[in-house]
Amino acid sequence: QVQLVQSGAEVKKPGASVKLSCKASGYTFTRFPIHWVRQAPGQRLEWMGWINAGHGNTKYSQNFQGRVTLTRDTSATTTYMEVNSLRSGDTAVYYCATVNFDSWGQGTLVTVSS
Amino acid sequence: EIVLTQSPGTLSLSPGERATLSCRASQSVSSYLAWFQQKPGQAPRLLIYDVSDRATGIPARFSGSGSGTDFTLTISSLEPEDFAVYYCQQRSDWPVTFGQGTRLEIK
Repeated sequence: QVQLVQSGAEVKKPGASVKLSCKASGYTFTRFPIHWVRQAPGQRLEWMGWINAGHGNTKYSQNFQGRVTLTRDTSATTTYMEVNSLRSGDTAVYYCATVNFDSWGQGTLVTVSS
Repeated sequence: EIVLTQSPGTLSLSPGERATLSCRASQSVSSYLAWFQQKPGQAPRLLIYDVSDRATGIPARFSGSGSGTDFTLTISSLEPEDFAVYYCQQRSDWPVTFGQGTRLEIK
């Protein structure tokens, strides 16, 4: 069955960068895009962007354009999200999800604190 | 971007009762409206997509309806495991957006 497994929790200082991973299994990785969504404490879900796992094309929310980079490694069936210039407001759980949002990773907690 | 507004913010009901959750979009989302359930410490779970299609494995007590800008998620008879937060989502236009959620709590 489709499974997305994300990397572990991270603690970063303001201004730092973080790179998260999402490993996919159970389907042909290059056929479908992967979304990234975040949820700050007590807040609604916020879509950040997606990457076409086959071509590598990306689309980002304007809220994150220029600060977030999505990449993928087809041999590892893994997508990556790097977030730069972290600030306290980036403290959140970050999820990856399949193209129709029908499968989600378990989430990665990123804490930004000095 | 399309703003989704859910009501009520919190709904207090008892097991066996019927739950009706609403989602209003700032502009038409055609039929690209989905509903998710989220429990504490868990990822969201897709319940309904394209307004009224149940996702794989979702019980028949969950149903969706609506069109254009006004949508409803109905749970016909609440089970104890249904108490959670529910989010609507639109994929009609970029960026994908979510509502602020409705918390369904046990009365």
